[in-house]
Amino acid sequence: RKEVEQDPGPFNVPEGATVAFNCTYSNSASQSFFWYRQDCRKEPKLLMSVYSSGNEDGRFTAQLNRASQYISLLIRDSKLSDSATYLCVVNPGYSTLTFGKGTMLLVSP
Amino acid sequence: DTEVTQTPKHLVMGMTNKKSLKCEQHMGHRAMYWYKQKAKKPPELMFVYSYEKLSINESVPSRFSPECPNSSLLNLHLHALQPEDSALYLCASSPQGGNTIYFGEGSWLTVV
Repeated sequence: RKEVEQDPGPFNVPEGATVAFNCTYSNSASQSFFWYRQDCRKEPKLLMSVYSSGNEDGRFTAQLNRASQYISLLIRDSKLSDSATYLCVVNPGYSTLTFGKGTMLLVSP
Repeated sequence: DTEVTQTPKHLVMGMTNKKSLKCEQHMGHRAMYWYKQKAKKPPELMFVYSYEKLSINESVPSRFSPECPNSSLLNLHLHALQPEDSALYLCASSPQGGNTIYFGEGSWLTVV
């Protein structure tokens, strides 16, 4: 089983839609979790950390389910500028982070 | 805008050349990283420096040689590379290992 798994997509949605991504991780000892966003030919940028209680930042909501070992990202009212690849990132308890392969989102007018 | 600065942004080198990629951060972070990213793939960890000491080398070929001159600088020395080494090379830093990491804009390397 891969350490961090994501559906590669692409997810094609119209502007204004709500879209959700899931990510599963294999190491139950994982300690911290993140969503990064990467635009084409750009560096990954931190979108948000994911906390056990769930957290929201504007149109973005992240949730963590430790029992089932999955993380989710919900984007409401999608904008064209949300088009990007979303990377699920997990700290498995070592000194480095493990990246999923990313989920591509395409928001169309 | 990223506070991790990488130079050069683009580099084309021959297989017999020696070149270096440079990275600088002034956030006081104590962990610095080199990642390699190929198209449509996630970043792949190469090296980790923690408190200026090499702590992780992910079995990277010796034609890639990292160097950490001080807590703000990280270099990647390149020698005798192969065309398949062409990729985006990302430097990153974090307050300490395993925390949120912040990437530089990357250096696009083409080996001809």
